[in-house]
Amino acid sequence: KQEVTQIPAALSVPEGENLVLNCSFTDSAIYNLQWFRQDPGKGLTSLLLIQSSQREQTSGRLNASLDKSSGRSTLYIAASQPGDSATYLCAVRSNTGNQFYFGTGTSLTVIP
Amino acid sequence: NAGVTQTPKFQVLKTGQSMTLQCAQDMNHNSMYWYRQDPGMGLRLIYYSASEGTTDKGEVPNGYNVSRLNKREFSLRLESAAPSQTSVYFCASSLVWARTSGNTIYFGEGSWLTVV
Repeated sequence: KQEVTQIPAALSVPEGENLVLNCSFTDSAIYNLQWFRQDPGKGLTSLLLIQSSQREQTSGRLNASLDKSSGRSTLYIAASQPGDSATYLCAVRSNTGNQFYFGTGTSLTVIP
Repeated sequence: NAGVTQTPKFQVLKTGQSMTLQCAQDMNHNSMYWYRQDPGMGLRLIYYSASEGTTDKGEVPNGYNVSRLNKREFSLRLESAAPSQTSVYFCASSLVWARTSGNTIYFGEGSWLTVV
């Protein structure tokens, strides 16, 4: 069974700092990997999706990388802002089924 | 564009009561999912429907039933609620399970269920 881990569970940084969130998965047979943002009391919003054949995706201040062979992905946030405060989750889609496996998330607080 | 809509947003149940969570999507997606989210445990799949007319158990199906009413709607039923089912429930949908590009998953806003 695919296991997805996110470290750290919580992170607090001052505004303007660049930061990296980590996601690791146990089974490299994935179809794609997605990063989501979840605000308190809300659903999940997709930030970036990386296909298994890709190495990275960028959207604005966000950059996600994927190293499938080592079972790792990182989400890089440049010049963090207080509005970036949220929980960030990664999810992998199985290569053989119709399931998405989620990590437990990293709770990010950006201090003004 | 509504996306994925789920109701109710909040519900308090007594142990043993039954209820149905409703979910509808307007994106013409084939696949729909029900997850529960608990502190420290992440999102866990309860049931999913790969396409209209099919349903399959996920990681934590016990105590739940689902119905894929049509392509748009996928409901989750608790027949006899237990305190262990206190959780936040999310409905989600995605395009066909096929090797197409994208295939992102879209979530509803969540339903907060408390069983006392």
